[in-house]
Amino acid sequence: DTGVSQDPRHKITKRGQNVTFRCDPISEHNRLYWYRQTLGQGPEFLTYFQNEAQLEKSRLLSDRFSAERPKGSFSTLEIQRTEQGDSAMYLCASSLNGVDYGYTFGSGTRLTVV
Amino acid sequence: ILNVEQSPQSLHVQEGDSTNFTCSFPSSNFYALHWYRWETAKSPEALFVMTLNGDEKKKGRISATLNTKEGYSYLYIKGSQPEDSATYLCASRNNAGNMLTFGGGTRLMVKP
Repeated sequence: DTGVSQDPRHKITKRGQNVTFRCDPISEHNRLYWYRQTLGQGPEFLTYFQNEAQLEKSRLLSDRFSAERPKGSFSTLEIQRTEQGDSAMYLCASSLNGVDYGYTFGSGTRLTVV
Repeated sequence: ILNVEQSPQSLHVQEGDSTNFTCSFPSSNFYALHWYRWETAKSPEALFVMTLNGDEKKKGRISATLNTKEGYSYLYIKGSQPEDSATYLCASRNNAGNMLTFGGGTRLMVKP
């Protein structure tokens, strides 16, 4: 297992289009997180899965955003009707259960909405 | 909502200098404090996860301390090297949820 992979690495889309990103976590990790990072800021929490269950979702997340993790393996994050303000780095991370485990992050998907 | 603050925002040091950064976080309902290193064009990499007040962890030339009562953590780098150049992120988790709240990071640049 080579770590957390995200696809695509970069995405340029026109405003109003829908985009979907994929994250493949480390196979033994049952927890999966999506974060968004904009320039000069730290990563901002979007949503969290334990296995296939979406257990937490940021109150800041608009209903244009949806995430799934079917079968508790890979996850997808979809943004509908993209806006320029959605331009950011979208990071996926996975971890084992337990407080002593740090997150393993993917390299992120950089979204640019033009 | 947690507010996690890091200072300084950026730091330029010479190779061989020792340096430290600060992370402050709400002390109420504290659960865990994470430190990550994020090099340009790479993934954030976990450095430390700390939970106990007074805890100190070390990894090579990098060490971290934790004060949960007053809500701060320090990250120290001894004898900085150019390969230490990165953004250092801290993140706090409280016992109300499973997600981390990140600070804005400290960007370290080490000049040879």
